[in-house]
Order: sequence, then C-alpha cells, then structure tokens
Amino acid sequence: GNSVTQMEGPVTLSEEAFLTINCTYTATGYPSLFWYVQYPGEGLQLLLKATKADDKGSNKGFEATYRKETTSFHLEKGSVQVSDSAVYFCALRDAGGTSYGKLTFGQGTILTVHP
Amino acid sequence: DAGVIQSPRHEVTEMGQEVTLRCKPISGHNSLFWYRQTMMRGLELLIYFNNNVPIDDSGMPEDRFSAKMPNASFSTLKIQPSEPRDSAVYFCASSLEISGGRDTQYFGPGTRLTVL
Repeated sequence: GNSVTQMEGPVTLSEEAFLTINCTYTATGYPSLFWYVQYPGEGLQLLLKATKADDKGSNKGFEATYRKETTSFHLEKGSVQVSDSAVYFCALRDAGGTSYGKLTFGQGTILTVHP
Repeated sequence: DAGVIQSPRHEVTEMGQEVTLRCKPISGHNSLFWYRQTMMRGLELLIYFNNNVPIDDSGMPEDRFSAKMPNASFSTLKIQPSEPRDSAVYFCASSLEISGGRDTQYFGPGTRLTVL
C-alpha cells in the first residue's frame, strides 16, 4: 500500500535559517504529492503540490521538487520566519480515478522558529 | 467561497452521551472525508464519500461511530455512546474528483471534542 515517511521532529530553527523537511514515499504508479501546513488551532491548508515527476511546487517561499528516482518530495525554504511555526504534513494521492481523492499523510513535522 | 464549514467548533460532553458533528463541504465538490487528529495517533482517515456514497469506512474505529451524507451539501459524524478516548479534533475535508483528476483536498477548521 501507499505510505509517506517524514523526518521526525520537532525542528527548531532561528529566524532566517534554511529549512529542509524530508519526505519520502512508497506508491505504485505516478502519485500526486502535496505539502499541507497546520497553524495552531486551525485546519490543514494546502501549501504546495506537484503532480508529475520533476515538477516543482512553490508557495510563500517554500519549494519542493517531485523526485521519482529517489521517491522524495523534500520541503525547503531559504529563510524561515517566526510566522512559519506550524506542523507540516507531506501527503500523496493515487493518480487513478478509483482513489476518489483519498490522501495518504505522513506523521507531520513540528517546526518552531525563534526570533 | 466560504470553504468547508464544520459545527460545532468545540464540543464538551460527558461519557455515554451522543455526539453529532456536522460538515458542509464546498459547493460543487463531490468527495468528502472525515479525519480524526490526536497527539498519540496523528491524523487518521475515518471514512470518505464520493457522490454521497460511502467508499471506504475501514478507518472507523468502532460501531459506536457512524457517518452519513444525505445530500451533496451535508454530512454528519455521530458517536454513540461517546467515551473519553474519543476526545480529539475531528476534521472534514472536501474535493472535486474527476476521473484521473488531481484536485486538492480542502479542510475545515475542525471540531475539538472533549469527552469527560
């Protein structure tokens, strides 16, 4: 079955530091890949996505590249801010229509950014 | 667009009581998902519907849990009787699924349930 593995947290950084959160996946075929972010007390929000190999998703300074050869979708940001403190989830969905949009989530990585 | 709407936002109840959580998906979306989030178990998919039909309820923990989707704009998740271990944040999400599509799931703000 499908699975997503994220680097264990929590991750603690100083403001303006470089961020990497690793994500690897196991799936058949060509899944779509997502990063969701959850701010304290809120639901999950889509941060970025990529739907095919070598695609780069980007949003709010965050980037992730769909690497099929390494089955990875690592999240990066060049300079984090205090406001980026949140929980980050990597997820995948099957490309086929029979999944009806079901997502497989990683366990989440807590990021804390200090001033 | 108002986004996915969930109610109530917070619910405190006593063990043994019936709890009903409600969700209104984004208009036009045809898939709806119920999740549970706890510190211990993370984010778990409980059940999901497509075109109001339950597709997979294998994540529903026990017979005490049931979910319905009587029409395209409304779904409920019911727990009867509730137990303290059901305390969690329950999320509803919706998406527009077209055959082979790659659309996004949109989450509601969640219902924080506390069972005393």
